[in-house]
Amino acid sequence: LAKTTQPISMDSYEGQEVNITCSHNNIATNDYITWYQQFPSQGPRFIIQGYKTKVTNEVASLFIPADRKSSTLSLPRVSLSDTAVYYCLSGSSNTGKLIFGQGTTLQVKP
Amino acid sequence: ETGVTQTPRHLVMGMTNKKSLKCEQHLGHNAMYWYKQSAKKPLELMFVYSLEERVENNSVPSRFSPECPNSSHLFLHLHTLQPEDSALYLCASSPVVEQGAKLFFGSGTQLSVL
Repeated sequence: LAKTTQPISMDSYEGQEVNITCSHNNIATNDYITWYQQFPSQGPRFIIQGYKTKVTNEVASLFIPADRKSSTLSLPRVSLSDTAVYYCLSGSSNTGKLIFGQGTTLQVKP
Repeated sequence: ETGVTQTPRHLVMGMTNKKSLKCEQHLGHNAMYWYKQSAKKPLELMFVYSLEERVENNSVPSRFSPECPNSSHLFLHLHTLQPEDSALYLCASSPVVEQGAKLFFGSGTQLSVL
């Protein structure tokens, strides 16, 4: 299972664009890259998923370079409510063993 | 509202008690999961069920006993717990157990073992 590495914490200000990079050097050919968001005392919430190049939805964009050894979650114009922990996940076995790392705690300041 | 409901939201129990956590999903999914999240630690996968069959048991102590009577319901039976078992217990579901499956989480049960 591919292990992911991401910064433990990041600070930003309201209205800024935030980019969180995740490293997954051992990603397998058929592994997807998935990001979740978690607020305190709640379960994680799916944000975005991609395999290669760029994916965009109403919440975020995901950039994946050609070698797929890293990915970047981009949050446009963050607000205070985007303060949360963001998890990058890569790969899972056919038994559903999806491994969460320690995530990146994003603090958005006014 | 994620379509995954967990009860109770909070639970305090003594080490000799027996209690159960309940999870129900209204999404028509075939896979259900239990995760444990201790304070300031990553989520730890405990169990995975696919069509009511356990497909993953991640070296969890026997004092935690899962039950999946049908694809919509998942229980976690607790007995003789230790204080270090205090944590947020999260249930999740996905359409199937497969690569890239999108997980839908409940809000969790905050468990305190005294």
